[in-house]
Amino acid sequence: AQSVTQLDSHVSVSEGTPVLLRCNYSSSYSPSLFWYVQHPNKGLQLLLKYTSAATLVKGINGFEAEFKKSETSFHLTKPSAHMSDAAEYFCVVSRLSGGYNKLIFGAGTRLAVHP
Amino acid sequence: DGGITQSPKYLFRKEGQNVTLSCEQNLNHDAMYWYRQDPGQGLRLIYYSQIVNDFQKGDIAEGYSVSREKKESFPLTVTSAQKNPTAFYLCASSGGTVTGELFFGEGSRLTVL
Repeated sequence: AQSVTQLDSHVSVSEGTPVLLRCNYSSSYSPSLFWYVQHPNKGLQLLLKYTSAATLVKGINGFEAEFKKSETSFHLTKPSAHMSDAAEYFCVVSRLSGGYNKLIFGAGTRLAVHP
Repeated sequence: DGGITQSPKYLFRKEGQNVTLSCEQNLNHDAMYWYRQDPGQGLRLIYYSQIVNDFQKGDIAEGYSVSREKKESFPLTVTSAQKNPTAFYLCASSGGTVTGELFFGEGSRLTVL
């Protein structure tokens, strides 16, 4: 069965320092993996996606993630945090089931960025 | 601009009342979804529809109903049978099944008084 675990419910960083949001997944198949971002009272926006091409995936706003099959991880990173990065981030695993793309969402990591 | 429009953004309901949340998309997507979001939890799937006049129950369909009479529209009714309806509801659409990428609306926050 598919599952995804976000290892930190809250992460706090200072502006200009690196960001690391951790995600482990469980999948019997070769998964598609995503990171979405949600600002308060807004919908989710896709940051980046992994679909079995390059293992290092670059997304919007300077974020990137590395797919590591041996560690079943898909951690999200950014070299330098900006105040506007404060939001909730969701790691998501997807698989086809009966012709439908079933998405399994992690519980989310809330990122706080301090001046 | 193409996108997904949800309305209303905020809604208050008395216990025992049904309410309907609207979701409209102009992305020409076949698949549409409703998710529920509670604090500290990920999104949970309520219903989804892959094509007009067809829809399937998700993981938490009890107390909810949907219709898909038009490709652009996928309204969700929260019925009085839903025991804990206060939540943030998100509608999404998808243009295909290969990558699974979803496009989300801005959400509707329902509060039961």
